[in-house]
Amino acid sequence: AQRVTQPEKLLSVFKGAPVELKCNYSYSGSPELFWYVQYSRQRLQLLLRHISRESIKGFTADLNKGETSFHLKKPFAQEEDSAMYYCALWGGSYIPTFGRGTSLIVHP
Amino acid sequence: NAGVMQNPRHLVRRRGQEARLRCSPMKGHSHVYWYRQLPEEGLKFMVYLQKENIIDESGMPKERFSAEFPKEGPSILRIQQVVRGDSAAYFCASSPARDGNTIYFGEGSWLTVV
Repeated sequence: AQRVTQPEKLLSVFKGAPVELKCNYSYSGSPELFWYVQYSRQRLQLLLRHISRESIKGFTADLNKGETSFHLKKPFAQEEDSAMYYCALWGGSYIPTFGRGTSLIVHP
Repeated sequence: NAGVMQNPRHLVRRRGQEARLRCSPMKGHSHVYWYRQLPEEGLKFMVYLQKENIIDESGMPKERFSAEFPKEGPSILRIQQVVRGDSAAYFCASSPARDGNTIYFGEGSWLTVV
C-alpha cells in the first residue's frame, strides 16, 4: 500500500520567513514524488517532481529515502505563495496518491 | 491545447436531484481520473477510467455514484439523489497513458446541495 502524510493542515508564516511543508510517504518500492499547488479555487498545477531536481518559484524538494520524506522548502516566503500544497506519490499503482494538503498562508 | 475542461464550474442542486459533471481530457489523453475535494479535507481518489472501460473505482461510493468515459464525448461523473454531504469540489485529471506519471487537472466543478 502507498500512503502520503502531510502532518500540517495549516502553515502560517510572515513574508520573508523560511517555509518548510512536510511530506512523508510509505511505499515499499522506488516512488516518484511530486508537489502540486492549488491557488484559491483553481486547478492543481504541478509545482515540481523529484526526478527533475529543479527549483520552481524558489521552491525545492529533496527526496530522502532514509527518512521517507519529500519536504518542500523555500528560503524566503512571498505573499503570492499563499495556496494549498499537495504532496503526491506515484508508485506501482497507476493511481497517484495525494496527501491531505497543507494550506500555506503568508502574511505581509 | 486547451487543457482539461470541466463543466459546469458551479452547480447547485436540491436534495434528491441528480448532478452530472463533465470532463473533457487534454487532447491525446485517453485516461481520466476523478477526485473529490471536501471542505477541510484533501483530495480523495474516486475513479480511474480509460475510454469505454472503468479501470479502478475503489474510491467511488457504492450507492448513487457512477462514472463513464464513452468512446466519443467527455467523461461523466453522475451523482443520483444528491445529499448535503455530496457538496464538494470534483476534480478531473487526465494522463496520456496508463503508466504516465504526470497528470493534468481541470479547474474543478463545485457542487452545492441545498
